[in-house]
Amino acid sequence: DVKLVGSGGGLVKPGGSLRLSCAASGFRFSRYSMNWVRQAPGRGLEWVSSISPTSTYTFYADSVRGRFTISRDNAKNSLFLQMNSLTAEDTALYYCVTEPNYYETNGNYPWGQGSLVIVSS
Amino acid sequence: DIHMTQSPSSLSASLGDRVTITCRASQSVDIFLNWYQQKPGKAPNLLIYAASNLQSGVPSRFSGNGSGTDFTLTISSLRPEDFATYYCQQSYMTPRTFGQGTRVDIK
Repeated sequence: DVKLVGSGGGLVKPGGSLRLSCAASGFRFSRYSMNWVRQAPGRGLEWVSSISPTSTYTFYADSVRGRFTISRDNAKNSLFLQMNSLTAEDTALYYCVTEPNYYETNGNYPWGQGSLVIVSS
Repeated sequence: DIHMTQSPSSLSASLGDRVTITCRASQSVDIFLNWYQQKPGKAPNLLIYAASNLQSGVPSRFSGNGSGTDFTLTISSLRPEDFATYYCQQSYMTPRTFGQGTRVDIK
């Protein structure tokens, strides 16, 4: 079964840190770029960060650059997001997302179930 | 940044209706365009990638078309489980921007 399972969300005070994890199973995780996408309560989807299959390239939204760090461990089929200097504007559900490979047909690119991050004093 | 604009923002439709949602990019994204479906309280699910490729397991009543700046998602015959919010996203460049969403509800 192709699956991503996120963990590590929670309640944190402004200025605090949190590390999200995402465990992949059922597909060759190391072949795909991976993303973090977030959704604030009642809002649309916002791309946060991407990482290439071998971690050579990382990209960030302007809103998180310098505060968040994306990483992966292909040996453990895991994706991470280290979040520092959190503010209330970072409160959201954070999804780990598999980037589609445009050269594959009939592909299967799962999303995680979401990890809730609440930044509040 | 590439700005993605969906239309309409919401629509009401009946079971069996043919529904088309449009997504327009502020500059060309070639065919690097994905469509997602999100039901209330659930994670989004990829429907279509590369503008017209169905993800495995997605019913054939869903189809995508377009290239460059103009794209469409069509549901050929609306079923009860299709009432949801739909998002387009470009993956041509970072930041990988989303449209604002199109809510499809029951007429």
